[in-house]
Amino acid sequence: ETGVTQTPRHLVMGMTNKKSLKCEQHLGHNAMYWYKQSAKKPLELMFVYSLEERVENNSVPSRFSPECPNSSHLFLHLHTLQPEDSALYLCASSQVAGWATNTGELFFGEGSRLTVL
Amino acid sequence: KNEVEQSPQNLTAQEGEFITINCSYSVGISALHWLQQHPGGGIVSLFMLSSGKKKHGRLIATINIQEKHSSLHITASHPRDSAVYICAVKRGGSQGNLIFGKGTKLSVKP
Repeated sequence: ETGVTQTPRHLVMGMTNKKSLKCEQHLGHNAMYWYKQSAKKPLELMFVYSLEERVENNSVPSRFSPECPNSSHLFLHLHTLQPEDSALYLCASSQVAGWATNTGELFFGEGSRLTVL
Repeated sequence: KNEVEQSPQNLTAQEGEFITINCSYSVGISALHWLQQHPGGGIVSLFMLSSGKKKHGRLIATINIQEKHSSLHITASHPRDSAVYICAVKRGGSQGNLIFGKGTKLSVKP
């Protein structure tokens, strides 16, 4: 139990569906992250929210839309995805210093396994 | 070539063996992380280090900043150590998110 909870754990969706992934952290951290893990590839950073503000968007297609309503919750809204978007999506949190330096370790959720048909 | 390279990619060991996983990187860093990912997908942080050596139970992590190399050792390995071990580095500088290696898949046989 890492203090970071992701739902759903598994999601199957068609290319025309709209769904959302949810992440919640109970650690009092002020930064949250979305990572994508595809088979045989390193984790890829998608989005970073620091103090509820998006500070990084790593050239992610617009069919992925993040939302951070408060420092404990992070969503990833999905629409018109492609089969190549099938992957494990991992949420993480950490404590970030005042000028957005990540001073500490990352705490990951269990991941949401997404399959796009 | 990835900025973070791990070796070996796959490793099979017998229970009780001493295991070493290596990580080399090509950028200046302020910290290096070792992470463990179990088959279910969840990732746990094992170590964060910027110099020297850290030990936690049967796990030991070392780093040589000059050589840009880190090793993760597992003593008296056990089947429950079977997992993917991931090395990640944080670039030096004010904002630097992690750069990940592809991971080393370890399987420990009873």
